[in-house]
Amino acid sequence: EVQLVESGGGLVQPGGSLRLSCAASGFTFSTYWMSWVRQAPGKGLEWVASVKQDGSEKYYVDSVKGRFTVSRDNAKNSLYLQMNSLRAEDTAMYYCARISDVIINYWGQGTLVIVSS
Amino acid sequence: ERVMTQSPATLSVSPGERATLSCRASQSVSSNVAWYQQKPGQAPRLLIYGASTRAPGIPARFTGSGSGTEFTLTISSLQSEDFAVYYCQHYSNWPFYTFGQGTKLELK
Repeated sequence: EVQLVESGGGLVQPGGSLRLSCAASGFTFSTYWMSWVRQAPGKGLEWVASVKQDGSEKYYVDSVKGRFTVSRDNAKNSLYLQMNSLRAEDTAMYYCARISDVIINYWGQGTLVIVSS
Repeated sequence: ERVMTQSPATLSVSPGERATLSCRASQSVSSNVAWYQQKPGQAPRLLIYGASTRAPGIPARFTGSGSGTEFTLTISSLQSEDFAVYYCQHYSNWPFYTFGQGTKLELK
C-alpha cells in the first residue's frame, strides 16, 4: 500500500524558515517523480514543486522560486521541501504527492504551515 | 499559462440524481486533464485522468469527457459519499500543473 506521511509543519514568523519532510513507503520511491502541492485554508489546490527520480531536475511555481527548494533522499525514501523567507501567503496545508506517468495519483494527508507573527 | 475555470462554484443536487461539473481551459490542453475529489479534512483523491479514464477503484458512476478546452465530470445517481469538492487539473505543460478553483457538490 502506497503511504506518504508528511511532517515538519508548524507556526513560523514571516521571514522564517521551515523544512518539510515526506516519508514514502509501499512503492519503489526512487523510480517516481514526486511533488508538493499546497492548499491555503478554505482555498483550492496549488502545485508548488516537482522533482525527478534522481533529483537532477526540479520545477517550481513562480511564487516560490528562489525561496523554496525541493529535494529527495532515495536511500531514505524521503522527499523534502526547504522553505525560506516565508510569507503570510505561504500559509497552507502542504501535501506530498507521487507522480505516475505525469499524473499525480497519490497524496499524503498533509502538514500545516502557518506563517504569522 | 493555461487557466482552468470550473463551473458552477457550488452545485446542489439530491441523492440519486445526476451531477454535471464543468471545467474550461483558456487554451487547448488536449486530453491532459485529471479530476480529483476532496472531502473535508482529507487529501484529494484521483478520479479521472486523460480526460476520461477512471483511476483504479473509482466507481463507474463517475464519467469524464471532453477534449481541447471543454471538459465535464458526470456523476450519475449521486451517493451520499459523493458530496465533496471536485477539482479539475491540466498537465499539458508537465512538469507544471494547474488546478481549477473547484466545484463544491452539496446536498440539496
